[in-house]
Amino acid sequence: AQSVTQPDIHITVSEGASLELRCNYSYGATPYLFWYVQSPGQGLQLLLKYFSGDTLVQGIKGFEAEFKRSQSSFNLRKPSVHWSDAAEYFCAVGRDDKIIFGKGTRLHILP
Amino acid sequence: DTEVTQTPKHLVMGMTNKKSLKCEQHMGHRAMYWYKQKAKKPPELMFVYSYEKLSINESVPSRFSPECPNSSLLNLHLHALQPEDSALYLCASSQYKTTPSYNEQFFGPGTRLTVL
Repeated sequence: AQSVTQPDIHITVSEGASLELRCNYSYGATPYLFWYVQSPGQGLQLLLKYFSGDTLVQGIKGFEAEFKRSQSSFNLRKPSVHWSDAAEYFCAVGRDDKIIFGKGTRLHILP
Repeated sequence: DTEVTQTPKHLVMGMTNKKSLKCEQHMGHRAMYWYKQKAKKPPELMFVYSYEKLSINESVPSRFSPECPNSSLLNLHLHALQPEDSALYLCASSQYKTTPSYNEQFFGPGTRLTVL
């Protein structure tokens, strides 16, 4: 069965530092991969998506992610975080009308 | 217009009440979704409508009744809910099947439901 694993429940970084959020998926075929962000009490906003082609994907708000088939990973990165990046981040796999979400990573930013 | 709107933003209801949540999109999407999200958890899929027909029901209790009156509108009718149904209810929409992006879902801001 397809699944998504986000191994880090919480991550804390200092403002201006670089960020990497990990995501591993389990799916037999080429997956559709997504990263969503959710601020407290808000809906989900799509940061970026991977369907095919270039394995380095650029998204909004300065985020990027790299698809590595050999490692079944789709890690999210940002070179320099801002206080406004504090939120919950969900990695997700899409297939057959469904999105399978990971459990999420809560990002905390230190001033 | 790339927005999914949901009303109301907040809803408090008793266990004997009947209420409805509303979701609207004007992006021409033909798939619409209801999710339930408890605090500190990922969204859980409840229902999927494709071309205004219910295509997926994730074994949701009958006290939740979805309705898709037209391609832009999705309702969730609530009746005899339990306190454990208190959650953020999210609506989403997507294109359907004909392009690779059909799984890309656009989410609304949600309705925060409290059942007393």
